[in-house]
Amino acid sequence: DADVTQTPRNRITKTGKRIMLECSQTKGHDRMYWYRQDPGLGLQLIYYSFDVKDINKGEISDGYSVSRQAQAKFSLSLESAIPNQTALYFCATSEGGINEQFFGPGTRLTVL
Amino acid sequence: AQSVTQLDSHVSVSEGTPVLLRCNYSSSYSPSLFWYVQHPNKGLQLLLKYTSAATLVKGINGFEAEFKKSETSFHLTKPSAHMSDAAEYFCVVTPKAAGNKLTFGGGTRVLVKP
Repeated sequence: DADVTQTPRNRITKTGKRIMLECSQTKGHDRMYWYRQDPGLGLQLIYYSFDVKDINKGEISDGYSVSRQAQAKFSLSLESAIPNQTALYFCATSEGGINEQFFGPGTRLTVL
Repeated sequence: AQSVTQLDSHVSVSEGTPVLLRCNYSSSYSPSLFWYVQHPNKGLQLLLKYTSAATLVKGINGFEAEFKKSETSFHLTKPSAHMSDAAEYFCVVTPKAAGNKLTFGGGTRVLVKP
C-alpha cells in the first residue's frame, strides 16, 4: 500500500461548488503539506502543518482552507471553486528538520 | 527570500548520451538542495539531496549533482540516458532555517530519443 494516499484522484466540478481533497499517510510523519502544480510553475505551497495543532499559510493560500484531523490526515478545501483553481494538487509529508518530503500521487481537479 | 531557476524548460537527448539539467538558486541562508523526478501521472520522487556534506551528491538511477556555492548552481547529470529517464525534473531549495519549506523550480521536461 502507498505511504501517502490522496482522494479523489480526479475530480471535475463547477464554479461555486465546495470541494474537499483528502490526504492520508502511514509514514508516521508529523509534518504535512498541500501544493498545487501548474505547468511551468513547479509546485507552489498552499498550506502546511507541523503537527495537529499547527496550521500555516503557504505562498498561495487565498481561496483555500485546510483541516488537520489527525496526525495522519490533512484535508484541503476549496470553499467556492473557481476555474483558475484547475490544477494538479499534491499532498506531502516529512519528518522534522531538513528532510525529504514524500508525495502522494496527486489529485487532478478541473473547475468548469 | 529564496528562488530557483531551471535554465531549460525542455531537454531532448538520445538514449545512451549524457544528460545535463541546469539549476541556479538564490537563498538568504545556507541552503539544502534537492532534485525530484516526476514520471507521467505519478507523484514526485526524490533523486538526491545536498545538505552541506560532500558537494558531489550521488542519487538513484545513476544521477548525480554538484553543489557549487560560488556559482550558486546545483546541476543534475547522468552519463548515459535511458528511455526510462523521460520525465519532468524539479530542482528544489530550502534554507536550513525555513523549517523544511521547499521552493520549486519551474521544472525541466526530458525527452529521450531512441
